[in-house]
Amino acid sequence: DSGVTQTPKHLITATGQRVTLRCSPRSGDLSVYWYQQSLDQGLQFLIQYYNGEERAKGNILERFSAQQFPDLHSELNLSSLELGDSALYFCASSVGTSGYFGELFFGEGSRLTVL
Amino acid sequence: GNSVTQMEGPVTLSEEAFLTINCTYTATGYPSLFWYVQYPGEGLQLLLKATKADDKGSNKGFEATYRKETTSFHLEKGSVQVSDSAVYFCALSDNPLLGVSGGGADGLTFGKGTHLIIQP
Repeated sequence: DSGVTQTPKHLITATGQRVTLRCSPRSGDLSVYWYQQSLDQGLQFLIQYYNGEERAKGNILERFSAQQFPDLHSELNLSSLELGDSALYFCASSVGTSGYFGELFFGEGSRLTVL
Repeated sequence: GNSVTQMEGPVTLSEEAFLTINCTYTATGYPSLFWYVQYPGEGLQLLLKATKADDKGSNKGFEATYRKETTSFHLEKGSVQVSDSAVYFCALSDNPLLGVSGGGADGLTFGKGTHLIIQP
C-alpha cells in the first residue's frame, strides 16, 4: 500500500460527458502528480501541484483541468470526453518540489472508459 | 526534450533465467534514473534508482548501472522468479537535487514499459 488513494477505481461514461477523479496523497506529501496511461502512448505526465499551486504542466489537454485543495487532496476534471480519453489515470505524490530525487508514490489508478 | 527508450515486450523467460531489459535515455544535464515496477492491478512502485554516473542501484536482486557514456540504464537480474512477472518502466528526472526549487518540470519522464512474463 503506497498510501495514495484514488477514487473511483472504475468509471464508465459517454462521449461528451464530464468526470472528476479524486486523489488523496500520502500523509505529509505536498506534491501531487497526474499521469495518463494508455496502450499506445504509454505513461504521460499531465500536471503537478505543489502545496496548492500548479508546479509543472506536461501533455495535458485544454479539456482537462486539475486543482489541489488546502487539505492537499487533488481532483482531475475531464470534460467533453472523447473515445480516446479512455485510459488509466494515475495520481502520485512526493514530499517536496523535487520529490526526493524523483521518487513518486503511485495510487492504484482510476480506469476511465468512454463509450 | 527528455525521452526514455526501452525494449518493448512482452519478454517471456523461464524461471531462473537471466534477465536484461534495455533502457536508453536522452536528457540535458545530469538526470537521475529510475526503474519502476507495476504488478497486475496495482500502481507503479519504485524498484531502484541511481542519481549520478557510475552509480549502481539495486533492490530485490535487480541491478542497474548509470552509464553516462552510453546514456543507458539497463535492468538486470541473475535469476528471475514467477513473482517477477510485471511491467517494468525506466524513467528519468531532470531535477535530481533534493530541495532544489524553481524551473523545470518535476514529473518523471517514463519509457513505454516492458511487460515481463516468467514461466515456471
